[in-house]
Amino acid sequence: KNEVEQSPQNLTAQEGEFITINCSYSVGISALHWLQQHPGGGIVSLFMLSSGKKKHGRLIATINIQEKHSSLHITASHPRDSAVYICAVRGRGSQGNLIFGKGTKLSVKP
Amino acid sequence: GAGVSQTPSNKVTEKGKYVELRCDPISGHTALYWYRQSLGQGPEFLIYFQGTGAADDSGLPNDRFFAVRPEGSVSTLKIQRTERGDSAVYLCASSLFGREYNEQFFGPGTRLTVL
Repeated sequence: KNEVEQSPQNLTAQEGEFITINCSYSVGISALHWLQQHPGGGIVSLFMLSSGKKKHGRLIATINIQEKHSSLHITASHPRDSAVYICAVRGRGSQGNLIFGKGTKLSVKP
Repeated sequence: GAGVSQTPSNKVTEKGKYVELRCDPISGHTALYWYRQSLGQGPEFLIYFQGTGAADDSGLPNDRFFAVRPEGSVSTLKIQRTERGDSAVYLCASSLFGREYNEQFFGPGTRLTVL
């Protein structure tokens, strides 16, 4: 079993829909990252959080440390949100490297 | 300012050849990470540098893989006797310090194809 599991693997939505991507992890962590990867490989960091909730524009990330679960929400989705969204965790006391989920491929149709 | 850059963006080589992949981190970032991403998978950790030294190389798959960072800035990932299974996108990231709460900034990756 992977240490970081994401669901769903693939998600197709209509423009304007509210989207939720889930991430569960099995290790103790110091921080959790949500990353966005566009075709061509470039990765952009969306959020880094260790508790509670963060919001940036139409994106919201939440984390429940006790349940070892995080969600990424996209409100009023748009075709330009189409990308792979990756959850990654940094183990507590680790040297700093991240452990990644396999990603969720989101496609938003106009 | 400039982000993390990686060269080349694409590299095609033949089985058995030697390749070098370069990463230029953000200026002033002391921590540098190499990851490998196979098709359809999330990235996997290879090696982490703090300054000039490899603080953690536990992710290197075997002794054909080696990385250096001689001056604590640019890093080179070296792969000897390449195999088809080495084909992947190699990602580099840097952070200000290698501490738990420092954000990592990723480069665009080098897509390596071994024929």
